[in-house]
Amino acid sequence: GAGVSQTPSNKVTEKGKYVELRCDPISGHTALYWYRQSLGQGPEFLIYFQGTGAADDSGLPNDRFFAVRPEGSVSTLKIQRTERGDSAVYLCASSQWSSGRDTQYFGPGTRLTVL
Amino acid sequence: SQQGEEDPQALSIQEGENATMNCSYKTSINNLQWYRQNSGRGLVHLILIRSNEREKHSGRLRVTLDTSKKSSSLLITASRAADTASYFCATDATGTASKLTFGTGTRLQVTL
Repeated sequence: GAGVSQTPSNKVTEKGKYVELRCDPISGHTALYWYRQSLGQGPEFLIYFQGTGAADDSGLPNDRFFAVRPEGSVSTLKIQRTERGDSAVYLCASSQWSSGRDTQYFGPGTRLTVL
Repeated sequence: SQQGEEDPQALSIQEGENATMNCSYKTSINNLQWYRQNSGRGLVHLILIRSNEREKHSGRLRVTLDTSKKSSSLLITASRAADTASYFCATDATGTASKLTFGTGTRLQVTL
């Protein structure tokens, strides 16, 4: 596609529920990243995929958070037993892996609200 | 955790004036990227400057990088109302797997 897409754009859920957030990267981009942005803050890194594997998941806050990228393209961020503190905008980005240090292109984000 | 800090936190200027935003960071980097964000949603990439570069230009944007001071600046010349947004610097630190660490952002308001 022309850019990174994310669905849904908004998600409202109740405390304790399970949610899935989807990211479609730019076609051909092998690297995919998830970030989380709280109100008034800059984005914070969650996890990075190179191909199908998670190369760095050091930013995941706890074991309620999990992400997959089974075919090396689309990725799903999964949050179990959601808490009010999980409310944020979840951003996905992708990049080519030519030099290994390339521009990351961001999607529009999913705004998650946990009631 | 936020590595960088942008300065100022907020900036209000009139259309046609120049806007300068500064970014400081803490660790050695491979590159530094500047992004713009409107209304708290998607980030738009503006410019990437590598650690061995000192200055880059793109249209009305000029970015400088001083690795000895661990700082960067973004200059927007001849600002327009459409430049109103939050601006973030993000660093790709050495020794990490290409994840970006963002600063807290500068909120720029350009008035007519």
